Amino acid sequence: ETGVTQTPRHLVMGMTNKKSLKCEQHLGHNAMYWYKQSAKKPLELMFVYSLEERVENNSVPSRFSPECPNSSHLFLHLHTLQPEDSALYLCASSQFVLGKNTEAFFGQGTRLTVV
Amino acid sequence: AQSVTQLGSHVSVSEGALVLLRCNYSSSVPPYLFWYVQYPNQGLQLLLKYTTGATLVKGINGFEAEFKKSETSFHLTKPSAHMSDAAEYFCAVSGWNAGGTSYGKLTFGQGTILTVHP
Repeated sequence: ETGVTQTPRHLVMGMTNKKSLKCEQHLGHNAMYWYKQSAKKPLELMFVYSLEERVENNSVPSRFSPECPNSSHLFLHLHTLQPEDSALYLCASSQFVLGKNTEAFFGQGTRLTVV
Repeated sequence: AQSVTQLGSHVSVSEGALVLLRCNYSSSVPPYLFWYVQYPNQGLQLLLKYTTGATLVKGINGFEAEFKKSETSFHLTKPSAHMSDAAEYFCAVSGWNAGGTSYGKLTFGQGTILTVHP
């Protein structure tokens, strides 16, 4: 399998549930990202991992907890979410090279509905 | 800090007509600029990118964009629209943060939905 793969594609969860989103990249990249895409809002960067270290956390509520066990895998652990957290969650990866910016490659996304 | 403004949240064209999607950016450092396309319930796919060098860049599916530093613009064009071009298009900018690194972080515009009429 190639590219960036996200599972599951769709998820419905109650506000008291705990679930996890998974992302796997097969591109040999060293940076991974979580973005949130809500209706009528720009894409929001949530977390950045570079070389398996979290390098950015954009004031995301603690009910979202990322984990990056290795350079190929990224998780987003979810607990006690709110209905306003319903959105498309996109994972992306890129190759970070000092002095250069390379494009990000995106997964298909997980459509999350919180009920 | 960086920002992107896409003029027009919806653009409608006839099949065969010129497509023009506008993007203006703000960046305190030399920008890298990207256009992505998103089809319904899909992730984002890179159309084209500008890093350095030639200011007119060509991408997939017949799209191209021109970097104009003086106008801080990176508009996306296609000479002849096809029904399959109907999608949402995002302009994005990447650059260096205060620490001198960027990790490829992208700042996106609000998106433009392109509708193509027969």
